[in-house]
Amino acid sequence: AQRVTQPEKLLSVFKGAPVELKCNYSYSGSPELFWYVQYSRQRLQLLLRHISRESIKGFTADLNKGETSFHLKKPFAQEEDSAMYYCALVEAAGNKLTFGGGTRVLVKP
Amino acid sequence: NAGVMQNPRHLVRRRGQEARLRCSPMKGHSHVYWYRQLPEEGLKFMVYLQKENIIDESGMPKERFSAEFPKEGPSILRIQQVVRGDSAAYFCASSPRTGTSYEQYFGPGTRLTVT
Repeated sequence: AQRVTQPEKLLSVFKGAPVELKCNYSYSGSPELFWYVQYSRQRLQLLLRHISRESIKGFTADLNKGETSFHLKKPFAQEEDSAMYYCALVEAAGNKLTFGGGTRVLVKP
Repeated sequence: NAGVMQNPRHLVRRRGQEARLRCSPMKGHSHVYWYRQLPEEGLKFMVYLQKENIIDESGMPKERFSAEFPKEGPSILRIQQVVRGDSAAYFCASSPRTGTSYEQYFGPGTRLTVT
């Protein structure tokens, strides 16, 4: 069965510092990987898809199939990046999202 | 477009009572997903429905839980004879069509507390 692991429950960084959120997955096929974000008092929303290979709000994520990882990175964190971040996968041609446990990012001024 | 609506936002039930959670998908969306988030955990898939059909209920507990998405009206997640372990946040998401599971738009969630 597929599984997504986010080893850090909390990441605290200073504004302007780099931030990297780790995500590892286990799945035998070719999954699609995503990062979702939930800002305070807002609903969960899609941040990135690995297929699109784009940078959103300065965040990038590269799928490493050899290491089965999909880490999220931003070179210069901003206070507005403080939020809960969830890594998720969906199996090929599948429908349900499998989420990691989430990482809370706190960006201090 | 008001987005995915869920009500109530907070629900308190005593052990043994029934809980009914409602989800209205985004306009034009015919696919609904329910997820449960226990305290300090990530969201876990429960069920995937299309209008009048349950497509995948592999994440639903075998007993007491049921879901429907009728031709008219919202999707309903029903929990009978609630127990303390059912206390969680329940999220609904919707997507426009088959094969677009990544385009899941989430509702604000219903926080169920069982006393």
